[in-house]
Amino acid sequence: QVQLQESGPGLVKPSETLSLTCSVSGGSISRYYWSWIRQPPGKGLEWIANIYYSGSTNYNPSLKSRVTISVDTSKNQFSLRLSSVTAADTAVYYCARERYDNSWYVFDYWGQGTLVTVSS
Amino acid sequence: DIVMTQTPLSLSVTPGQPASISCMSSRSLLHSDGKTYLYWYLQRPGQSPQLLIYEVSSRFSGVPDRFSGSGSGTDFTLKISRVEAEDVGVYYCMQGVHLRTFGQGTKVEIK
Repeated sequence: QVQLQESGPGLVKPSETLSLTCSVSGGSISRYYWSWIRQPPGKGLEWIANIYYSGSTNYNPSLKSRVTISVDTSKNQFSLRLSSVTAADTAVYYCARERYDNSWYVFDYWGQGTLVTVSS
Repeated sequence: DIVMTQTPLSLSVTPGQPASISCMSSRSLLHSDGKTYLYWYLQRPGQSPQLLIYEVSSRFSGVPDRFSGSGSGTDFTLKISRVEAEDVGVYYCMQGVHLRTFGQGTKVEIK
């Protein structure tokens, strides 16, 4: 059973960079796409970016200038960096998997989510 | 960018009764490969979202058959034939044809 676990600081200061890692266990990170999705408290879901295990990336245009997604296949992990954060970036951040197997199974596995608060 | 619009935003349903949620996209979700990339997710209170329906109408593994998806082009519907207590939560549609965009969510509660 594939499991995803987000990790990183729960508190980030305004203007600094938010950094999160998603560790994948129970399966390989290879041959899949991996995404970051966030959810501000009490609000809806927003897709941030995804990355293929080979390193090709896609970004939400509204966040593209501040986001970097990367993958480390040797550690079975992928990461998110979001720069110049403000209070509007306060959210639960989820990592999730996308799988293609004659059909696209988008976000078939999710992490439990980690709350990141932007505050001084 | 593709905008996804769900209606209604909230729904109160008597157990055993049907429920229906609509989702409209600002442009067609039909891909050049012939598939339509529209997905439905349920986020139960305090939990991560879970995949219910992929590619408009295919139920994901373990999803009860009381859930069904339909639609084409820009108009889609999620139906629950007989709502149960465990169906409470927020339902999101999402397009996967150009990047990824979620609808605003529809909160379903039990009367």
